[in-house]
Amino acid sequence: KAGVTQTPRYLIKTRGQQVTLSCSPISGHRSVSWYQQTPGQGLQFLFEYFSETQRNKGNFPGRFSGRQFSNSRSEMNVSTLELGDSALYLCASSLEVGEQYFGPGTRLTVT
Amino acid sequence: GENVEQHPSTLSVQEGDSAVIKCTYSDSASNYFPWYKQELGKRPQLIIDIRSNVGEKKDQRIAVTLNKTAKHFSLHITETQPEDSAVYFCAASIPKSGSARQLTFGSGTQLTVLP
Repeated sequence: KAGVTQTPRYLIKTRGQQVTLSCSPISGHRSVSWYQQTPGQGLQFLFEYFSETQRNKGNFPGRFSGRQFSNSRSEMNVSTLELGDSALYLCASSLEVGEQYFGPGTRLTVT
Repeated sequence: GENVEQHPSTLSVQEGDSAVIKCTYSDSASNYFPWYKQELGKRPQLIIDIRSNVGEKKDQRIAVTLNKTAKHFSLHITETQPEDSAVYFCAASIPKSGSARQLTFGSGTQLTVLP
């Protein structure tokens, strides 16, 4: 099976802009979780989607949002970008309950 | 919420020696504990996991132990090789409503295996 894919792999944005990142899970996986990875804060949970519904959310401001489509592909959106949003954004897919497999990530740089 | 502490933050061992990384968690409801290996510039890769109804699990040179009473779990790598050099993350997962799962990660351990 193909692994988790994320697009784009690299992105440079300016403060105040918004950005949309995409994640395609492993075929058959219906759960997609998003994480932010930074050197200072490590890996932090953003949210999880299952069957097009957000069923869990981490402690991030409302500028971070996401959605999931009927084919389980997921997008996350960050509005009004801040310098501190620069990070590697990882998505992970899993069956309903089980091991999570990570995508390669999207490296977002905010200038 | 859950809090996971991981030690040490850096670990250097000689090739062939063993390496041990330790994690503690705060929420006794956590019931799933995966370990991930992340090489520089690559995605985290699941290397082993353990559930709360098991005390130990092995997979070739890698083993994980869980002490539910102490809320402590550890990764053991034997006969280390240079390709084991990477950052290792532990994580704990609390079951949420409707089978939702949220992983809380430790801060990572940079393992360096010296040839």
